[in-house]
Amino acid sequence: AQKVTQAQTEISVVEKEDVTLDCVYETRDTTYYLFWYKQPPSGELVFLIRRNSFDEQNEISGRYSWNFQKSTSSFNFTITASQVVDSAVYFCALTVPNAGNMLTFGGGTRLMVKP
Amino acid sequence: EPEVTQTPSHQVTQMGQEVILRCVPISNHLYFYWYRQILGQKVEFLVSFYNNEISEKSEIFDDQFSVERPDGSNFTLKIRSTKLEDSAMYFCAMRDQSFSYEQYFGPGTRLTVT
Repeated sequence: AQKVTQAQTEISVVEKEDVTLDCVYETRDTTYYLFWYKQPPSGELVFLIRRNSFDEQNEISGRYSWNFQKSTSSFNFTITASQVVDSAVYFCALTVPNAGNMLTFGGGTRLMVKP
Repeated sequence: EPEVTQTPSHQVTQMGQEVILRCVPISNHLYFYWYRQILGQKVEFLVSFYNNEISEKSEIFDDQFSVERPDGSNFTLKIRSTKLEDSAMYFCAMRDQSFSYEQYFGPGTRLTVT
């Protein structure tokens, strides 16, 4: 069985601060995919990034960056110079291709960016 | 990002009533999923559907739930006799046949059972 843990339930920062959202996962499979989704106050789930288990290269997209470390089973998400529009709930998720392909979500981290 | 649509956006129903939630698929996406999110909680998998049959389902997906793609277009989730605890946001998701495994979510249907 798969499990995703987001230990931070809520984070509050002031605009322009950097913030890191933690994600720790558990799976016995060697092939898996990790994702981050954003859920703004309007409620939809917006895909942000996918990373497969064979690619540990970190990725940067604008103010967003992701740090994947298999050694610690972590896939952390950093927002640099946070903005009020970044306020949302962020979910980390895991899927295993040979185990149904459903997404297993973490509990989410609510990020509040104050002006 | 591909756009998935769901109807209705909000459904209010009385306990014991049947509801049908609908999802309009993206043309080349063949794998369909339903997820549920009780207010303030995490997103939970309900069922996956491929080639006109259920491929996986969770413990939540009991006999009160069913899915189908009746006309080859819309993908539906039916709850036969709603309970108060069925109140949640229901998300449809889908993906294509690539090995990216990215799932794209619809905007959700908020179901309120009174």
